[in-house]
Amino acid sequence: QQQVKQSPQSLIVQKGGISIINCAYENTAFDYFPWYQQFPGKGPALLIAIRPDVSEKKEGRFTISFNKSAKQFSLHIMDSQPGDSATYFCAAAASRGGADGLTFGKGTHLIIQP
Amino acid sequence: NAGVMQNPRHLVRRRGQEARLRCSPMKGHSHVYWYRQLPEEGLKFMVYLQKENIIDESGMPKERFSAEFPKEGPSILRIQQVVRGDSAAYFCASSLQGRTEAFFGQGTRLTVV
Repeated sequence: QQQVKQSPQSLIVQKGGISIINCAYENTAFDYFPWYQQFPGKGPALLIAIRPDVSEKKEGRFTISFNKSAKQFSLHIMDSQPGDSATYFCAAAASRGGADGLTFGKGTHLIIQP
Repeated sequence: NAGVMQNPRHLVRRRGQEARLRCSPMKGHSHVYWYRQLPEEGLKFMVYLQKENIIDESGMPKERFSAEFPKEGPSILRIQQVVRGDSAAYFCASSLQGRTEAFFGQGTRLTVV
């Protein structure tokens, strides 16, 4: 059973456009939601993270929107640049109680066309 | 401040051999996680360790796989009698406190021939 569903699987956006990646989760114990960026041959790099006490978090061109009632969260990349082309993973974890690590979505291959 | 260091970066093993993957966490981090990534897949949690303790190994295969994080030295993920299906990228992450920001290493790409 996949606990974090990520869509789309791949995404092509024109330079300067907005890239939007969506994730949905099932486990109501999750209370920490990070996004990771991964370039080919590299490890995932933490991009931005949110906790459910806020509905939105913005860091530079990256914004997480969080909808607790719908159990959904999304990543928005404003003014997308070719250097943003990478695979993006959403993840979730329960920071209280159980000792699980992060549960990842399957990833979104993002291509920004110049 | 060096990041999470994994070695080797690439490892080739014949079927039946043993693979040892090493991970040195970021300075000051005492929590280590191991994940496996198959092509076109997300990362799958394997095991969570603190110094000298396995906290959660719910993602580890029941046989052939083991992990340790000794008091001194790196964390080791050990795969005995490797099979072709073990071919994957193995990533280590560390955190300052369990279940908060986790920082990943560059991974070890294991190929079983």
